[in-house]
Amino acid sequence: AQSVTQLGSHVSVSEGALVLLRCNYSSSVPPYLFWYVQYPNQGLQLLLKYTTGATLVKGINGFEAEFKKSETSFHLTKPSAHMSDAAEYFCAVSERRGSTLGRLYFGRGTQLTVWP
Amino acid sequence: NAGVTQTPKFQVLKTGQSMTLQCAQDMNHNSMYWYRQDPGMGLRLIYYSASEGTTDKGEVPNGYNVSRLNKREFSLRLESAAPSQTSVYFCASSELGAYTDTQYFGPGTRLTVL
Repeated sequence: AQSVTQLGSHVSVSEGALVLLRCNYSSSVPPYLFWYVQYPNQGLQLLLKYTTGATLVKGINGFEAEFKKSETSFHLTKPSAHMSDAAEYFCAVSERRGSTLGRLYFGRGTQLTVWP
Repeated sequence: NAGVTQTPKFQVLKTGQSMTLQCAQDMNHNSMYWYRQDPGMGLRLIYYSASEGTTDKGEVPNGYNVSRLNKREFSLRLESAAPSQTSVYFCASSELGAYTDTQYFGPGTRLTVL
């Protein structure tokens, strides 16, 4: 069964510092990987996703993530944090396994705090 | 386009009461989903609908029923609410339900069961 592990339920950085949010997955077949962001009292929205092709994926708001098959990881980074990046971030995986429907399996989330 | 809308935004129930959470999307998507979000647990799939007229169970279906009323609407019903169903409920939709699809989420319904 697939699973997603997000290391660190809370991450705090200073404004302008590097943001690194970690995500590891377990899957016996090639996965499709997603990062979603949830701002306070809102639904989730897609930051970026990896399906096929280039393993470095760029998303909205300056975020990017790199799919590393050998490490089963899909870490999210941003070179310089902004106050507006404060939110909860979810890594998710879907995989082709017989069923025709793509179901997402979410990690437990990482709350990002940005200090001025 | 409003995207995915959910009603109500907030609800308080007493144990044993019933209610229906409504969800609608205006993006002509085929697939729709219901999730619940609990602190430290991420989102867990309750039910999904691959297309109009079909529904299937997700990870945590017990205590819930769903109806795919038409292509736009997907409702979630709690027949006899329990305190363990206190949660934030999100509806989502995707174009084809494919593995690579982006899911679009509504703003959520915060439900408290006393």
